[in-house]
This record gives sequence, C-alpha cells and structure tokens, in this order.
Amino acid sequence: EVQLVQSGAEVKKPGESLKISCKASGYSFTSYWIGWVRQMPGKGLEWMGIIHPGDSETRYRPSFQGQVTISADKSISTAYLQWSSLKASDNAMYYCARPVMRGDGHYFDYWGQGTLVTVSS
Amino acid sequence: DIQMTQSPSTLSASVGDRVTITCRASQSISTWLAWYQQKPGKAPKLLIYKASSLDRGVPSRFSGSGSGTDFTLTISSLQPDDFATYYCQQYNNIGTFGQGTKVEIK
Repeated sequence: EVQLVQSGAEVKKPGESLKISCKASGYSFTSYWIGWVRQMPGKGLEWMGIIHPGDSETRYRPSFQGQVTISADKSISTAYLQWSSLKASDNAMYYCARPVMRGDGHYFDYWGQGTLVTVSS
Repeated sequence: DIQMTQSPSTLSASVGDRVTITCRASQSISTWLAWYQQKPGKAPKLLIYKASSLDRGVPSRFSGSGSGTDFTLTISSLQPDDFATYYCQQYNNIGTFGQGTKVEIK
C-alpha cells in the first residue's frame, strides 16, 4: 500500500528556517517523482515543485523558484520542503503528493496527510 | 499558466440529486484533466484522470466528460459522503487547479 506520511505541524517566526518531511513507503521511491502542493487558508491548491529521487532532478513552478528548496534522501525514502527565511505569507497547509507524469504535466494519485505551517511573530 | 475556471463556486444539493460541476480551461488541454475531492481537514483524493477515467475504488456514481476546454464532473445520485469541495486540475502543461466547487447540503 502506497503511503506518504508527513512531519507534524510547525509554528515559526518570520525569518526563521524550516524543513518539513514526507516519508514514502509501499513503492519504489527512486522510480517515481514526488512533489509538494500548497493550500493557503481557505484557498485552493497550488503545485509548487517536484523531484525525482533517483537522480535528484527538480522542477519548480516559476512562482516558487528561489522561494523554497525541494530535496530527497533516497536512503530513507523521504522528500523535503525547506525555507531559509519564512514569511507570514508562507502560512499554509503543505501536502506532499506523488505525481503521475504525462509529458510536460502531471496529476497526483497519492497524497500525504498535510503539514500545517504557521508563521507568526 | 493555463487558467482553470470552475462553476459554480458553491452548489447546494440534497441527497439523491444529480450534480454537475463545470471546469473551463483558458486554452485547449485535450483530455489532460483530473478531478479531486477534498473534505475539511483532509488531503485531496483523486477521483478522475484523463477527463473520464475513474481512479481505483472510486464509486461509479462519479463520472467525468469533456475535451478541449470544457469539462464536467457529474455525481449521478449524491450521497452523504459526497459533501465536499471538488477541484479540477489540468496537466497538459505543468499543472494548474481550478478554484474549487463546494457541494453543500441544501
């Protein structure tokens, strides 16, 4: 059974750094891409970026390029999303999800349970 | 980015109703469209991909249709478990979501 289990909720101050995680199981981690989706409070879904753990190729949505870093550790089947300096606008629920790739696009067939990030002074 | 517009934003319906949600793309996306269901406090769940293919385990009361720029998600007989927010997502180029349609109890 495919499972994506994310790390717990975080409360941080503006300017602090943060790294959240997503542990995959039930499939070959290095054979599939894995990605991150943001949902701001009361809002819709935004794809942020994806990584292929096999070769670390990473693709970012242009609006998130330079704002976050996506990485993966294939030795422990875990993907990460990190910020070097959080802003209040980073308040959101973040989901990891496994994309099904199709050409230049992809949809998501499995999702983690979400990690709530609260940034407040 | 390709823009995705869903209508309506909110839909009030009763158990047993036939419900239709529309999703329009700002340019042709062939049939590269997925639909998701999201309940409060939960992750989205894939319902349909390639416009009309049901994901594994999704009840047959859900169906999808359309191609090009206009798509629909239909629930043939609304069940209590179906009250949720539904999102379309194009994946012809990268992947953008619609703004969501909330299906609420009438």
